[in-house]
Formats: sequence, structure tokens, C-alpha cells
Amino acid sequence: AQSVTQLDSQVPVFEEAPVELRCNYSSSVSVYLFWYVQYPNQGLQLLLKYLSGSTLVKSINGFEAEFNKSQTSFHLRKPSVHISDTAEYFCAVIFSNDYKLSFGAGTTVTVRA
Amino acid sequence: EPEVTQTPSHQVTQMGQEVILRCVPISNHLYFYWYRQILGQKVEFLVSFYNNEISEKSEIFDDQFSVERPDGSNFTLKIRSTKLEDSAMYFCASPGVTTYGYTFGSGTRLTVV
Repeated sequence: AQSVTQLDSQVPVFEEAPVELRCNYSSSVSVYLFWYVQYPNQGLQLLLKYLSGSTLVKSINGFEAEFNKSQTSFHLRKPSVHISDTAEYFCAVIFSNDYKLSFGAGTTVTVRA
Repeated sequence: EPEVTQTPSHQVTQMGQEVILRCVPISNHLYFYWYRQILGQKVEFLVSFYNNEISEKSEIFDDQFSVERPDGSNFTLKIRSTKLEDSAMYFCASPGVTTYGYTFGSGTRLTVV
């Protein structure tokens, strides 16, 4: 069965500390991988994506994610978070036999001073 | 940056009433999606629309739901007789043709009382 799993529902973190959000998927076909961010009372914004090529992808605001095919993972990391990174983060997958986005349950990141 | 526009941003309706949620997708995109996010839960696929027809729908998308394209640019999601459990954030999305980066609207928060 095809699925997307985010292992952490909530991640509290102090400002300037690193953070890692875990995402794993299950699939027998090739995948396209995404991270979306939802700030409080706002819509979904694409943070970064992996389609092909380099397995390490980066966003303009310091986040990065690495596609690991053997571990079927696409974990999101940031070496130093800001208060403004407080948001809900969703991992999402497009399975190549089904071209709609499938979302994980989301991880709430709360950054404290 | 192309945008997907949704109206209204927030709607409160009484149980049993009909609601129409509107979306203006990115122009020239043929595919169009509606997703739903119940408070605190994952983002769920509702329906995809391609070339003026429903191409796929989830089990959530029962007979109470319908999707239309009343004119060349607008899409609507209609819930014929709302239930309390329809309270959620509803997002429309335009997927990129070559980039697979879905662009989401800012959402409509539907509250059924």
C-alpha cells in the first residue's frame, strides 16, 4: 500500500537550535516528494521539492531535505530555527501511478525564545 | 508568482444549508484539485477535475458534493446540505504541468453550526 508517514506530530524547539522533521513513505513505484508549510491562519506554501537529480534539495529560507531511496525517507532539516519558523509542516508525495498529492499527518513546530 | 485565489476566506453556515466555495486557478492549467483539512487533521484529497470533468474523487466526495466550472476561469465546490462534520478548511490547488509543484489557494474556512 502507498502511504506517507510523519513520525512526529509536535516538535518544540528553542530558537537557533537545529530541527529535523521526519517523513517516510511506502511505495512500489517512483515518487516525487514535497514539503509544504502552513503558517498560522494561512494556506499551504510549497517549501521545497524533490523530482529528480541531486537528492539534497534546499529552500531559500535555510531548510533542506534529502531523499533517501533505500530508507524511503525525505527528512526536513534546518540548522538554526527562528521564531518565524513556527508553523505546521506537511510532507507530501506524488506516486507516479497516481498523480495527486498525498499528505502526511503534519508536524507542528513551535519555536521558543 | 502565479496565484490561486479562493473566496470567501471564511464562511459560517447553518447545518443543512447549501454552500458554494469559489476558486480561480492559475490560468491555462487543465488540472484542478480540491482538498480538505479538518482542524487538527491531515490534508485530504477530495476531487480532481480535468478538462471540465471530474477525473477522480475520494470516498469523502459523496453525493452532497459537486464541482463545476461555471465559466472559463472559476471553479466551484458545492456542498448541497452541510453537516457539522463538513466544518474544515477547503483548499483548491493548481498543479504545475512540468514542475509538479502544486500551488494552493489560501483556503476557505467553513464552519457549520
